[in-house]
Amino acid sequence: DVKVTQSSRYLVKRTGEKVFLECVQDMDHENMFWYRQDPGLGLRLIYFSYDVKMKEKGDIPEGYSVSREKKERFSLILESASTNQTSMYLCASCRDSTNQPQHFGDGTRLSIL
Amino acid sequence: DQQVKQNSPSLSVQEGRISILNCDYTNSMFDYFLWYKKYPAEGPTFLISISSIKDKNEDGRFTVFLNKSAKHLSLHIVPSQPGDSAVYFCAASEGGTGNQFYFGTGTSLTVIP
Repeated sequence: DVKVTQSSRYLVKRTGEKVFLECVQDMDHENMFWYRQDPGLGLRLIYFSYDVKMKEKGDIPEGYSVSREKKERFSLILESASTNQTSMYLCASCRDSTNQPQHFGDGTRLSIL
Repeated sequence: DQQVKQNSPSLSVQEGRISILNCDYTNSMFDYFLWYKKYPAEGPTFLISISSIKDKNEDGRFTVFLNKSAKHLSLHIVPSQPGDSAVYFCAASEGGTGNQFYFGTGTSLTVIP
């Protein structure tokens, strides 16, 4: 079974802090993704990565950056956290071949005070 | 602009009856479609998928139907069980490799015992 592990289930930070969310997958998947889920808005893509050191902006990249130094690890960084970044953050991965479903971690519920 | 839409935020069904969840899309280039199921405090779990060369795919109690001309897909659950109570997301991509997935806003299904 594919395992996507997010480092924290719940996180509380203060406005202006730099926040790191970590994600690790154990299936040697090439592609990794970061989403945020908000009520009534579904899952919105923040950033994704096709390979080590590669990154692509999704639909809502503002205020975020990412890092992929190793194939199995994809980090989401909130450079200066703001209250509107309070959300559920979901990491996903998939194989880089035709029509492959994404596999998700259990999410990190982030609250910015 | 939402490319994948789930117009029903919620649905209630009696146990044993059929649940039908609907999804519409606008991008005619989409050719791979998926349904995910999400319980509270967990990440989405892949349920079933269909590629555009098919109009139906079945897996046990779950069947996905695709109507390309109407840009519409639906998920049928027969018979519905209380454990099916969850939020269901549809998603679509242009297929191939390295393509972004677009998610709907979700439908919360409640199966009443």
